[in-house]
Amino acid sequence: SQTIHQWPATLVQPVGSPLSLECTVEGTSNPNLYWYRQAAGRGLQLLFYSVGIGQISSEVPQNLSASRPQDRQFILSSKKLLLSDSGFYLCAWSVRRSTDTQYFGPGTRLTVL
Amino acid sequence: DQQVKQNSPSLSVQEGRISILNCDYTNSMFDYFLWYKKYPAEGPTFLISISSIKDKNEDGRFTVFLNKSAKHLSLHIVPSQPGDSAVYFCAASANSGNTPLVFGKGTRLSVIA
Repeated sequence: SQTIHQWPATLVQPVGSPLSLECTVEGTSNPNLYWYRQAAGRGLQLLFYSVGIGQISSEVPQNLSASRPQDRQFILSSKKLLLSDSGFYLCAWSVRRSTDTQYFGPGTRLTVL
Repeated sequence: DQQVKQNSPSLSVQEGRISILNCDYTNSMFDYFLWYKKYPAEGPTFLISISSIKDKNEDGRFTVFLNKSAKHLSLHIVPSQPGDSAVYFCAASANSGNTPLVFGKGTRLSVIA
């Protein structure tokens, strides 16, 4: 069966510090991968999605970036965090070229102080 | 421009009664619709989906209805249970898997014992 992992589960970082969140998927090949953010009291905002290694689509302009160095690994990064980057970050995967059902990881709660 | 709208941010229902969560969409190209359930500090979990070729899909206590002419879908939960208390997200996709899901902002359901 497929499993999606995210770490860390919680993170407190000072403004201006770098960020690296990692997501890995097990039990499937060539997945679509997604990064979402849920800010306090708001819905799910799609940040990035990837249909393959090295292929990243950005949905919103911001100081975050994403990379996919391996088929089942998706990384969310920032060189300098802003207060507004605080939120709940979710990684998700779906089967490529099939139904769009996405399966989410447990999430990372990021607090920028 | 919000393509998927959940106009009720919250809903309270008594245990045993029916919960009806609503979702409207504007993009006539959407052909696949999903509902996700999210508990605090956890990733959303897939609940139920419906393709645009159907107008109803049922899975246990959960039924999703699709009215394409009105661009409206709803999730019915019968009977509602306290464990159903969560945020419910409606999502839609166009072009069968080649574009990312578009999520609504969610409706917080509280089932009161």
